[in-house]
Amino acid sequence: KNQVEQSPQSLIILEGKNCTLQCNYTVSPFSNLRWYKQDTGRGPVSLTIMTFSENTKSNGRYTATLDADTKQSSLHITASQLSDSASYICVVSPFSGGYNKLIFGAGTRLAVHP
Amino acid sequence: DVKVTQSSRYLVKRTGEKVFLECVQDMDHENMFWYRQDPGLGLRLIYFSYDVKMKEKGDIPEGYSVSREKKERFSLILESASTNQTSMYLCASSPRASVGNEKLFFGSGTQLSVL
Repeated sequence: KNQVEQSPQSLIILEGKNCTLQCNYTVSPFSNLRWYKQDTGRGPVSLTIMTFSENTKSNGRYTATLDADTKQSSLHITASQLSDSASYICVVSPFSGGYNKLIFGAGTRLAVHP
Repeated sequence: DVKVTQSSRYLVKRTGEKVFLECVQDMDHENMFWYRQDPGLGLRLIYFSYDVKMKEKGDIPEGYSVSREKKERFSLILESASTNQTSMYLCASSPRASVGNEKLFFGSGTQLSVL
């Protein structure tokens, strides 16, 4: 069964520190992998989209990496800010599927404290 | 920027009521989706639509129906609400693409409580 698992479930860091969130998936083959940020009470917003041939993609202080061999992706947040407090969701699109086949992870809830 | 608007942020309904959740997008997107989001679970697809008057079942369609009479509007209907339908409901839209490489744009969600 295709799965996407994220770790940790939750994380607390101090403002200004870096952190890395993990996403492991069993989907194979896959078309692309996305990271979304979801603020409390809001819908998810896209941070990055990587195809299976890409290794890294940046969006400001957010850098996503992809290792297709080990089926792992990570999202690194540099110099965290209070506004980074949110849930971060990893989403994998199977190669043969369209939007209706997207597989969502349960998310990592990040809290950035002053 | 694409805007996906869900008509209600919070709804409280009684068991057995008929519930309508409305979603409107303003970017002429062909694709629209309804998901539900529960704690500890990834988003699960309820229904989606690739065109006006067209609908397809997602992974968990039981107890739900949808309507898409106009391109910009996609409605989710709970024919007879039950307590296990208490959840956050998210609407999303995207431009047409065959393999899902485009971004999904989400609304802010509707937190539905069924008592």
